[in-house]
This record gives sequence, C-alpha cells and structure tokens, in this order.
Amino acid sequence: GESVGLHLPTLSVQEGDNSIINCAYSNSASDYFIWYKQESGKGPQFIIDIRSNMDKRQGQRVTVLLNKTVKHLSLQIAATQPGDSAVYFCAENTGQGAQKLVFGQGTRLTINP
Amino acid sequence: NAGVTQTPKFQVLKTGQSMTLQCAQDMNHEYMSWYRQDPGMGLRLIHYSVGAGITDQGEVPNGYNVSRSTTEDFPLRLLSAAPSQTSVYFCASSYRTGGKSSYNSPLHFGNGTRLTVT
Repeated sequence: GESVGLHLPTLSVQEGDNSIINCAYSNSASDYFIWYKQESGKGPQFIIDIRSNMDKRQGQRVTVLLNKTVKHLSLQIAATQPGDSAVYFCAENTGQGAQKLVFGQGTRLTINP
Repeated sequence: NAGVTQTPKFQVLKTGQSMTLQCAQDMNHEYMSWYRQDPGMGLRLIHYSVGAGITDQGEVPNGYNVSRSTTEDFPLRLLSAAPSQTSVYFCASSYRTGGKSSYNSPLHFGNGTRLTVT
C-alpha cells in the first residue's frame, strides 16, 4: 500500500497475473476517488474513478473497490501486461464541488516477463 | 484536440529569477489547476480556477501566482524562484456536468514542466 516517505512502494508481478494496488485515504468527507497511471516523463493518465455512493466499479481489465468504513481504496488489474508497468496513484477529491485532489504517494508496478 | 499543453518542457533558473509556466487547453474546460510533483511523492495542488476570472489557493500556494483571463489559458508565475521550487509542474483541466446531480469529470493532465532552480 501507499505510505509516507521518499521511497515509492513497489509491486512486482508476473506477466499475466492479476495485480492489486492498495491505498489508504485520509478524509471521511471525500466524495470522489480516482486512480491515475503515470509513465516516465509523462503526466498522470486517468484509469478509473468511483464516487462515494458506490463500493465497486469495473472498467476494461481494471476494477476499483472502495471501503469507506476503513477508508481504503484498491485497484485491481487483471492479466497484467508489460504496458501496465508504471507508477499508480490514488487520489481523493476533498473539494466538495471544486476539484481539489489529494494524491497518495504512488506505487511502482513492475511486470516480470 | 491537443488536450492540455504545457510549455516549456524543461527550464533552469537561478535563485531570484522570475518566470511563467504556460498552460493551455483546447477542450473548453471550466476548471484548471496546477500541481507540483516532488521525487517519490504524489502531486500537490498549488492553485486552481473554476472559471475565467476566478482563482483560489490549493495546498502549497506560497511563492506562486496565477491568473485566468481566458477559459483556455492558466499561467503559473514564479516571482522569485527558490531552490525549494525545483520540481515537476503539472497543469490539469476538467469540466463540470450540468443538472441536478452535477459532478466534475476526471482531471486531464499535461505532460509537465521540469523546473530546476540553482
């Protein structure tokens, strides 16, 4: 999962396996949560989002789970591919209207062939 | 659509110099924002704007100014650069849907400006 510090948490998985990246968020009043993927030298790229009135949302090969009781968010990537290698950030919207995102530290996902 | 365009891609400044980081979007998004990203950390919000003529401070606004005279452009100004401002800066934009249950779209990010202050 994500934590404070200068070293990014890392996750290594075999190509074809499923990946689960975890995130703890801080604000009980946050109403919107997003996962971003960031490749080297690029800006964050939107993957999937979920609103606080849901606990699960599925996209293509990705699923986001939200547990508001313990303020926990997870991203599941099915059948990981080499192109999934990147840093993944969770973000919560604390702005209640205006979009003021608070980002987690990020998790580096490495795919082993 | 080009999306969110940031210039320059790289910049080196001396302490005390000023400069403006440019950000333009061609998606007619009302909302624009600036984030900075330091090594091993997530992004932190500097300033944001919910529409032309309206700006507000984020989490780390000190040392930065913004203005929003048009929907398309949201420049970030460093009045007197300091080494602590060495970072990668990202501009982002989004739109808000209308209606009773309106919400913000996900942020679209530019590819960043890498700034070094010596």
